[in-house]
Amino acid sequence: EDQVTQSPEALRLQEGESSSLNCSYTVSGLRGLFWYRQDPGKGPEFLFTLYSAGEEKEKERLKATLTKKESFLHITAPKPEDSATYLCAVPYNQGGKLIFGQGTELSVKP
Amino acid sequence: GAVVSQHPSRVICKSGTSVKIECRSLDFQATTMFWYRQFPKQSLMLMATSNEGSKATYEQGVEKDKFLINHASLTLSTLTVTSAHPEDSSFYICSAHDSQETQYFGPGTRLLVL
Repeated sequence: EDQVTQSPEALRLQEGESSSLNCSYTVSGLRGLFWYRQDPGKGPEFLFTLYSAGEEKEKERLKATLTKKESFLHITAPKPEDSATYLCAVPYNQGGKLIFGQGTELSVKP
Repeated sequence: GAVVSQHPSRVICKSGTSVKIECRSLDFQATTMFWYRQFPKQSLMLMATSNEGSKATYEQGVEKDKFLINHASLTLSTLTVTSAHPEDSSFYICSAHDSQETQYFGPGTRLLVL
């Protein structure tokens, strides 16, 4: 069964304290792994797409990496404005449907 | 990145009335759009896939007669919650995927049924 699991569920960091979020997946024939950021009361905001093991993408303080079984979202020297829920998702059929993980709620304190 | 809009952003209605939510892809054409529902502190739950020019396909357990979906053009899909009841109160989010199959999400619509 296709599945996406994120850990930890919640993460509290001090400003400047780097860390990583994990997204483990089991899906046959990976056609991409997506990372989104969601602020309270808003729709998810697209961050990255990764397609193959070894691929890395960066945006400001965020870097996403992909292996054959999991993806990491590394946050370097986070700021309070990085506080949000981070979601990962993978497509599970040709129609573009996504399976979402439960998300990691990140809180960065000044 | 691509932009998806939703309208209204928030709606309050009386029990038994119908509510229509619009989802538009502003700078790209979307043959497929998706409708999600999200409860507090939970992840997104896919309700249905909206296909331009054809009937929507609903996920298991979603009442197609209660949640009417119309995808009349390549940039517009609508979700109508018919005869809304308090248990339909939720955060509804649409998305559209571009040619790279990346899904871009709208800002969401908060529905409160009294």
